[in-house]
Amino acid sequence: GEDVEQSLFLSVREGDSSVINCTYTDSSSTYLYWYKQEPGAGLQLLTYIFSNMDMKQDQRLTVLLNKKDKHLSLRIADTQTGDSAIYFCAESNEGGKLIFGQGTELSVKP
Amino acid sequence: NAGVTQTPKFQVLKTGQSMTLQCAQDMNHEYMSWYRQDPGMGLRLIHYSVGAGITDQGEVPNGYNVSRSTTEDFPLRLLSAAPSQTSVYFCASRRPGTPYEQYFGPGTRLTVT
Repeated sequence: GEDVEQSLFLSVREGDSSVINCTYTDSSSTYLYWYKQEPGAGLQLLTYIFSNMDMKQDQRLTVLLNKKDKHLSLRIADTQTGDSAIYFCAESNEGGKLIFGQGTELSVKP
Repeated sequence: NAGVTQTPKFQVLKTGQSMTLQCAQDMNHEYMSWYRQDPGMGLRLIHYSVGAGITDQGEVPNGYNVSRSTTEDFPLRLLSAAPSQTSVYFCASRRPGTPYEQYFGPGTRLTVT
C-alpha cells in the first residue's frame, strides 16, 4: 500500500537553511505536497510539485523531487523563528485520497 | 468566508459515552474528510465523502460513523468512546480536481478517560 515516511524532528539556527526530507511509495502520484501545521492549528498547503518536474522554487522555498528514488525534499532558505512548525509531506493516490507522512517538527533556535 | 469550522475545540468523554463532532464549510466543496492526528503517526483518514449522500471509509474507520446530508456539513459520530480514541480530530474539505488544496479546520482535541 501507499506509505510516506519522514524524520520526526529537525533543529536549526535562525538564518540557516532547513532541509526536510520525505520518501514515498506510490509512483503513480501526480502531485506531491508540503503542508505546514502551526501550533494549535490545522494544516495549510505550503507548496506542491507536479510529478513531471524535478524542482520548484517559490521565494524561500525550494522543492526537489527525485522520482527514481521516490524522494521529496523541502528546503527553507534563511530560516526564521516563525518557520517553527510541523511540516507534512503528502502524496495523492489514484482514488483521490491524500496520504500524509508522520510530520517533521522544525525547531528554529535564535 | 469562514472556511472550515469545527466544534467543540475541546472535549472530555468517559469510556462508553457517545458524541458528535461537528464540521461545516462554506466554500461549496464537494469533498470532505475526517482525520485523526496522533504523535508520531501523522494524519490518518477516518472517513470521507465525495458529495452529499455519499460517504466511504478511510484507513481507520472502526468506532466512527459519518453522514453527509448537505454539502456544507459532515459530522463525525463516536458511537461508544474508548481511550484509544483520545486524539486530535481534523475535518478538511477541498474542491474537485488536482492539485489537491485541502482546507483544514482548527481541530477538536478529544480526551477519553
